[in-house]
Amino acid sequence: DAGVTQSPTHLIKTRGQQVTLRCSPKSGHDTVSWYQQALGQGPQFIFQYYEEEERQRGNFPDRFSGHQFPNYSSELNVNALLLGDSALYLCASSLLSGGGETQYFGPGTRLLVL
Amino acid sequence: DAKTTQPTSMDCAEGRAANLPCNHSTISGNEYVYWYRQIHSQGPQYIIHGLKNNETNEMASLIITEDRKSSTLILPHATLRDTAVYYCIVLNQAGTALIFGKGTTLSVSS
Repeated sequence: DAGVTQSPTHLIKTRGQQVTLRCSPKSGHDTVSWYQQALGQGPQFIFQYYEEEERQRGNFPDRFSGHQFPNYSSELNVNALLLGDSALYLCASSLLSGGGETQYFGPGTRLLVL
Repeated sequence: DAKTTQPTSMDCAEGRAANLPCNHSTISGNEYVYWYRQIHSQGPQYIIHGLKNNETNEMASLIITEDRKSSTLILPHATLRDTAVYYCIVLNQAGTALIFGKGTTLSVSS
C-alpha cells in the first residue's frame, strides 16, 4: 500500500520565479492538504482540496495556489517566489468521504529560494 | 479548535517509558486529541488519536483524563529512534487544518 508521495524531493529556485510541487495521496484517500514548514517551526496549513475544489485555506497570499486532479493527486503552485518561501512543503492526505479525518503526511519537498 | 500546551523538551533513557503530557483545557466535547511526531527533516508521522476513552496501538498509548482537559502520550519502551518532536493537536471532527504548535522535543539516550 503506497503512502503519500511527493516530488521533487529538493528544489532550488531564484527570487521571482514560479514553482510547482506535486503530491500523490495515499491509496484510497480523496483529500489533499498542503503545509509549509519553515526551519525550526511547526508546519503551517496552506489549503486543502477535496473533489477538485479548495475546501479550506490558511493565511497565505494568493501567490500560493493549488489544484486537484480527478485521480485525487494535487499540485501546489507558488508564484513570484520570495526568499521567505524557502521551507519544507508537506502534503497530507485523508479520506474525507469516509468520515475519518486522520491525515497522513508525505516526506516533503524542500524548496530553497536564492 | 482548542489550543494545546506542551513542555518544550523532555529526556528519556532508552528502554524506559516516555510519558509526554499535553494540556488542552478549552477542548470541546466533539474535539479529538491527535498526536503526531516528526523526526528531523521528515514528514510528520501519525501516532494515535482519541476522543474520550484511552487508546492503544502498536506505537503508543493515549491516556485522556476524565474531564478531557489533558492527555498523556506513552511510549512504553523508548528507543533511540523515538527521538523526535512530538505534537499534540486538538481537532474538530469536521475540521480540516491541523494546527501545529511548537511540540515537545523528546531526546532518548542510551
